[in-house]
Amino acid sequence: NAGVTQTPKFQVLKTGQSMTLQCAQDMNHNSMYWYRQDPGMGLRLIYYSASEGTTDKGEVPNGYNVSRLNKREFSLRLESAAPSQTSVYFCASRGLGATYEQYFGPGTRLTVT
Amino acid sequence: ILNVEQSPQSLHVQEGDSTNFTCSFPSSNFYALHWYRWETAKSPEALFVMTLNGDEKKKGRISATLNTKEGYSYLYIKGSQPEDSATYLCASQGAGNNRKLIWGLGTSLAVNP
Repeated sequence: NAGVTQTPKFQVLKTGQSMTLQCAQDMNHNSMYWYRQDPGMGLRLIYYSASEGTTDKGEVPNGYNVSRLNKREFSLRLESAAPSQTSVYFCASRGLGATYEQYFGPGTRLTVT
Repeated sequence: ILNVEQSPQSLHVQEGDSTNFTCSFPSSNFYALHWYRWETAKSPEALFVMTLNGDEKKKGRISATLNTKEGYSYLYIKGSQPEDSATYLCASQGAGNNRKLIWGLGTSLAVNP
């Protein structure tokens, strides 16, 4: 099993450009999450999907959209990138049990200039 | 406590020392407490998920305890090794909202050989 995979690993965008971060998991997990991690801020939830076909906002959803394409894939889109969106983005997934842990992807380092 | 707080923020110990750190979380509406280990340039990996007051879990030289009534958990590392150097994150999971975690900022541990 590959676990949780993310593409790309690194990306540099100019202000105003758009891009989609891809995430896929092969563990048959129901729930998937997008986080951003900034120095001194910890992990902050952007959006999550409790199951296929549903998505909900997290703490910091502004400037982002998501798509739960199927059970395996959960993408994060930046429609018009801003320097404030420079961050490391992590995708995670979680099984059905109430106390199951989250499994994280390797992260995408995004710089917006 | 409304947020998850971890202390100390960072810790430097010598190889062979035993150490511990604290996670404080909201005790009301509590469901589970998660501990994760996050090595530099990698992604977080789950250590423990605990739900019951008085629960204690162990994995090798690392163990954790849980006090749900007063809202704290301790993580202990016995005989620290350089490979234990990482950031240790805790996250609280509330009842009725069991898909999202509230994350602490972590304790950064450096073990000097």
